[in-house]
Amino acid sequence: AQKVTQAQTEISVVEKEDVTLDCVYETRDTTYYLFWYKQPPSGELVFLIRRNSFDEQNEISGRYSWNFQKSTSSFNFTITASQVVDSAVYFCALSEPRMDSSYKLIFGSGTRLLVRP
Amino acid sequence: NAGVTQTPKFQVLKTGQSMTLQCAQDMNHEYMSWYRQDPGMGLRLIHYSVGAGITDQGEVPNGYNVSRSTTEDFPLRLLSAAPSQTSVYFCASSYSGTSVRGPEAFFGQGTRLTVV
Repeated sequence: AQKVTQAQTEISVVEKEDVTLDCVYETRDTTYYLFWYKQPPSGELVFLIRRNSFDEQNEISGRYSWNFQKSTSSFNFTITASQVVDSAVYFCALSEPRMDSSYKLIFGSGTRLLVRP
Repeated sequence: NAGVTQTPKFQVLKTGQSMTLQCAQDMNHEYMSWYRQDPGMGLRLIHYSVGAGITDQGEVPNGYNVSRSTTEDFPLRLLSAAPSQTSVYFCASSYSGTSVRGPEAFFGQGTRLTVV
């Protein structure tokens, strides 16, 4: 069965430190999507990135970067030079296809990141 | 562009009361879903819809009903509220998995529901 594991429940860093959030997934599908979402203290869920299973290129967006490795079933997220505004809960998610050609999202339990000034 | 709009943001119900959480999206997305978020459990799918007139159950459907009469709206009804339904509820919408525009889900602001 599909599963997403975010083993780090909570991480605390000091501003300007780099931090990596781990995500390990399990799936038997050959075609799937992986996602990261951010949930700031205000509570909304903000989409950050999508990656499909055929694209193992790493992605960088400003201070954010993502490392997708199919060999280890991991999709890790690194924040460089963290800032207080990065404090949030971060969720990794995996798409699971359904019989009706739709898909559902399987979420990890989230990693709470606290960036201290 | 409003995206996904959920109302209300906060609600307190007494056990046994019923209510409807509203969700509307203006992105012409085919898929819409309802999730609940409980501490330490991530998000769990309640019901989903792949298009107008089509709905199906997710992981935790008991105690909830949905309907999808239009592409834009996907209300969630609590039939007889119970304390176990105290949670934060999120509505989400997305294009289909085969869309070139990407299948990522966009979420509403959430509804914090307390059942006493």
